[in-house]
Amino acid sequence: RKEVEQDPGPFNVPEGATVAFNCTYSNSASQSFFWYRQDCRKEPKLLMSVYSSGNEDGRFTAQLNRASQYISLLIRDSKLSDSATYLCVVRVSGGYNKLIFGAGTRLAVHP
Amino acid sequence: EAQVTQNPRYLITVTGKKLTVTCSQNMNHEYMSWYRQDPGLGLRQIYYSMNVEVTDKGDVPEGYKVSRKEKRNFPLILESPSPNQTSLYFCASSEIWASGANVLTFGAGSRLTVL
Repeated sequence: RKEVEQDPGPFNVPEGATVAFNCTYSNSASQSFFWYRQDCRKEPKLLMSVYSSGNEDGRFTAQLNRASQYISLLIRDSKLSDSATYLCVVRVSGGYNKLIFGAGTRLAVHP
Repeated sequence: EAQVTQNPRYLITVTGKKLTVTCSQNMNHEYMSWYRQDPGLGLRQIYYSMNVEVTDKGDVPEGYKVSRKEKRNFPLILESPSPNQTSLYFCASSEIWASGANVLTFGAGSRLTVL
């Protein structure tokens, strides 16, 4: 079983739609959580950190459920420019280096 | 501009021909790391470094070497490349917080093909 699992998609949605991605992690010692965005053939870039209380940044909302060990990302009012792959990233305690990446969920927003 | 610079961006080579992928950052970050990205597998860590002369293995270190002689540079060395090292490679850096390496800044990637 992968340490961080994501539905690979693709999620094909029309502009204006609301779309949600889930990510599950297996290590209960995970302490920090992030969503990164990766455009085709480009480097990943931080989209947002995920806090225990949940957090929002414009059209993007991230939630954390420690009991069930999953993280979610909600995108409202999808734009064409949101088309990308979204990577779930988990930092596991006990090592400075241990950032575990999910394989990513691909989103395609169409007109 | 704060950035991580990798070179070369694209490389086709043959089995056994030693190569080095350079990585340089201008943000004075202590932490640097190399990842490879393969379809369906996500980014997997090859090696990382907490500071000058401090390096350690990640999850997939076999066939790779690194060095950290200066804070800004963290080259990845493939002594004898093999076709299973064909991949997209990313270098990344970050500050180190008390909780560990924080938000990563990635280089643009190096696409390596080994024939």
